[in-house]
Amino acid sequence: EVQLVESGGGLVQSGGSLRLSCAAAGFSFSDAWMHWVRQVPGKGLVWVSRIKNDGSSTTYADSVKGRFTISRDNARNTLYLQMNSLRAEDTAVYYCARESAMGGSYFQTYWGQGTLVTVSS
Amino acid sequence: EIVVTQSPATLSVSPGERATLSCRASQSVSSKLAWYQQKPGQSPRLLIYATSTRATGIPARFSGSGSGTQFTLTISGLQSEDFALYYCQQYDNWPLTFGGGTKVEIK
Repeated sequence: EVQLVESGGGLVQSGGSLRLSCAAAGFSFSDAWMHWVRQVPGKGLVWVSRIKNDGSSTTYADSVKGRFTISRDNARNTLYLQMNSLRAEDTAVYYCARESAMGGSYFQTYWGQGTLVTVSS
Repeated sequence: EIVVTQSPATLSVSPGERATLSCRASQSVSSKLAWYQQKPGQSPRLLIYATSTRATGIPARFSGSGSGTQFTLTISGLQSEDFALYYCQQYDNWPLTFGGGTKVEIK
């Protein structure tokens, strides 16, 4: 069974930093491209970032580019999102998700339960 | 950025009836369109990908159609567990973008 468990969320002041983690189990993590997607409570889904299975390539939404860094540790089966220079508008539930195993198909097949990040101004 | 628009925002349907949800992309996304279901307090669940292919374990009452810029999710014979939020997503271009969602509620 695929399991994705996020952690690291919490309350942080504007301008601060936070690192989210996502522990993966039940599949070959080192073969999987992974994503972060966020959702303001009561609002829609917004894609944040994506990382190649070996960590050699990353992609970001313009809204987080230069402030957030996605990374992974395949030995620990863990995905990370380092968030710096946080703003009030970054307040959201952050989900990690596994990308489809089909080449060129970037949709998300499995999602974690999410971790809430609250940025206070 | 491709803008994805869903309609209606809310759909009131009686159990056992059919629900038809629409999704429109601001430019062609070929067939690279997925649908997700989200229930309160839960994470999204993949329903449909490549416009019309059901994900593993998704019942046959869920079907998708369309191409280019216009897509439809049809839920035939709505069951109690189907009342939820539904999002479409295009994955043809970066950044990946989602529609604003359609809430299917009990009439």
